[in-house]
Amino acid sequence: DIQMTQSPSSLSAFVGDRVTITCQASQDIRNDLNWYQLKPGKAPKLLMHGASNLEIGVPSRFSGSGSGTDFTFTISSLQPEDIATYYCQQYDTLPITFGQGTRLEIK
Amino acid sequence: QVQLVQSGAEVKKPGSSVKVSCKASGGTFSSYSFSWVRQAPGQGLEWMGRIIPMFKIANYAQKFQVRATIIADESTSTAYLELSSLRSEDTAVYYCAKVKYCSGASCPDIFDVWGQGTMVTVSS
Repeated sequence: DIQMTQSPSSLSAFVGDRVTITCQASQDIRNDLNWYQLKPGKAPKLLMHGASNLEIGVPSRFSGSGSGTDFTFTISSLQPEDIATYYCQQYDTLPITFGQGTRLEIK
Repeated sequence: QVQLVQSGAEVKKPGSSVKVSCKASGGTFSSYSFSWVRQAPGQGLEWMGRIIPMFKIANYAQKFQVRATIIADESTSTAYLELSSLRSEDTAVYYCAKVKYCSGASCPDIFDVWGQGTMVTVSS
């Protein structure tokens, strides 16, 4: 199975800060990587697909980059509504695997 | 826009089985692949398996190969997950999710629509 190593596991930042989360795959997954936002009591929300493609309706402060084994997810200016847990997910090879999640908090 | 509505919460005894449904509306059911993903309390997301209704092909994570069965009923646009031999570690929220698109026989596992989740509690 492809292991997805996501870091940090938790992050605290101020409103307006630039926030970056990284995800490393245990083998080359090309750009077959998605990012999701998960809030308590709600279903996961797709934010980015194909590593760098912003899902329709998602604010442009979210962005993603990378290919191969190393990926980055960035929020350019943190907003209060961004408080959530973020997960990367590879879909290059079955079984589909997720990172461990990054819990984002406001300082 | 496709919407996915799941069945309600379940409380089960260890050793029993549970069947969770996921009804799709607003789109062409057979045009997509549907996966099941779970989240145990305090844990991350875990993919269990998927089905492509058009081809009636199911794939499973090795961990669930024996205990999980995923089927799709095209007549009712409903996908099902059945999990047997339940144990306390199966206590989790179970989500169904559809892929963003299929192109021919290829359905990249980009999950753009999710069900609301079904809480399954396994307790004696």
